[in-house]
Amino acid sequence: GEDVEQSLFLSVREGDSSVINCTYTDSSSTYLYWYKQEPGAGLQLLTYIFSNMDMKQDQRLTVLLNKKDKHLSLRIADTQTGDSAIYFCAETGANNLFFGTGTRLTVIP
Amino acid sequence: ETGVTQSPTHLIKTRGQQVTLRCSSQSGHNTVSWYQQALGQGPQFIFQYYREEENGRGNFPPRFSGLQFPNYSSELNVNALELDDSALYLCASSFQRSDTQYFGPGTRLTVL
Repeated sequence: GEDVEQSLFLSVREGDSSVINCTYTDSSSTYLYWYKQEPGAGLQLLTYIFSNMDMKQDQRLTVLLNKKDKHLSLRIADTQTGDSAIYFCAETGANNLFFGTGTRLTVIP
Repeated sequence: ETGVTQSPTHLIKTRGQQVTLRCSSQSGHNTVSWYQQALGQGPQFIFQYYREEENGRGNFPPRFSGLQFPNYSSELNVNALELDDSALYLCASSFQRSDTQYFGPGTRLTVL
């Protein structure tokens, strides 16, 4: 079955770049997603990448996809304190999303 | 254009009771998916409704059931509540079944 893995914690200094990594198992996933969750809130869609792309850039966010290694990463440039949250990677199933356990990003002022 | 809304925000129930959670989909979306997020975990898929029919189900027992209405809003019903049902319940809507899912703020259910 599908399995999505992420490291649990990441700390960066304000102004530095953050890189959050994810590995997934289902090579047939059409899209791969990144969602952000702030404390006590729902999931906010950040960005997504189509499976036939290698890279997607959206303002401060850069998504890299390595299909061979089934590895996805999210880079946040110029990380701000407002970026502190849990970040979830998700791959698509037949009609649903499979999520990792999330990476808690802490931004140190 | 309004986003996905859920009610209530918080709910406290006791073991054995029944609960109904509600979700209004984003304007123009005909598909609603429900997820359970236990503390410290990623969301787990419960089921999806498309045009008032169940369109896929995750590994949840039959006491988790749902409905979708003609206006595409949806309900999640949980019978015979157990302590492990305590979680954040998230609803997501999408334009079509396999499209990008947009999440609501969630309902926090506590079972005592």
